[in-house]
Amino acid sequence: KNQVEQSPQSLIILEGKNCTLQCNYTVSPFSNLRWYKQDTGRGPVSLTIMTFSENTKSNGRYTATLDADTKQSSLHITASQLSDSASYICVVRGDTGFQKLVFGTGTRLLVSP
Amino acid sequence: GAGVSQSPSNKVTEKGKDVELRCDPISGHTALYWYRQSLGQGLEFLIYFQGNSAPDKSGLPSDRFSAERTGGSVSTLTIQRTQQEDSAVYLCASSLAVAGSSYEQYFGPGTRLTVT
Repeated sequence: KNQVEQSPQSLIILEGKNCTLQCNYTVSPFSNLRWYKQDTGRGPVSLTIMTFSENTKSNGRYTATLDADTKQSSLHITASQLSDSASYICVVRGDTGFQKLVFGTGTRLLVSP
Repeated sequence: GAGVSQSPSNKVTEKGKDVELRCDPISGHTALYWYRQSLGQGLEFLIYFQGNSAPDKSGLPSDRFSAERTGGSVSTLTIQRTQQEDSAVYLCASSLAVAGSSYEQYFGPGTRLTVT
């Protein structure tokens, strides 16, 4: 069964600190993996997209890594800001020919002052 | 340009009533998706429209759920005889389903449905 598991479920960090969120998946075949940020009351917004051949990709203070052999990805947030408080969702697209995606349940991050 | 919009933003209904949720995709996006996000759960795929092709309804949880897309643009998701377990946030997304594109889905803000 195609699954995406994220950890931790929730996380609280102090403003300015770094953190790393984890994503493990069993989706096969694999096409790409995205990290989304979802602010409360809003729809998810894409942060990064990674394909099979990419190991790391950065978007400002966000850096995503992908190990396609172990089927693991991580999202590292550097120098966190209060506005980083949100849910971070890992989404994997399988090569099914459709646009359906497999969503993780997300990590809820709270950055406190 | 304008993003994906959804209405209403919040809907409270009594068990057994029918509800209609609306989605306006980004202009020019040929693909449209509906998802359901229950508390503490990941997004659950419901239905996918692509151009004039028959929609992929494989995610609809029961025959009480239906959706249509008129003129290749606006879509409505209808839930008949609502049940309490239908309470969730219903998200709509659209994308440019063009060969060679990144197929990124752009999400609307969602409709929070509460069935009492």
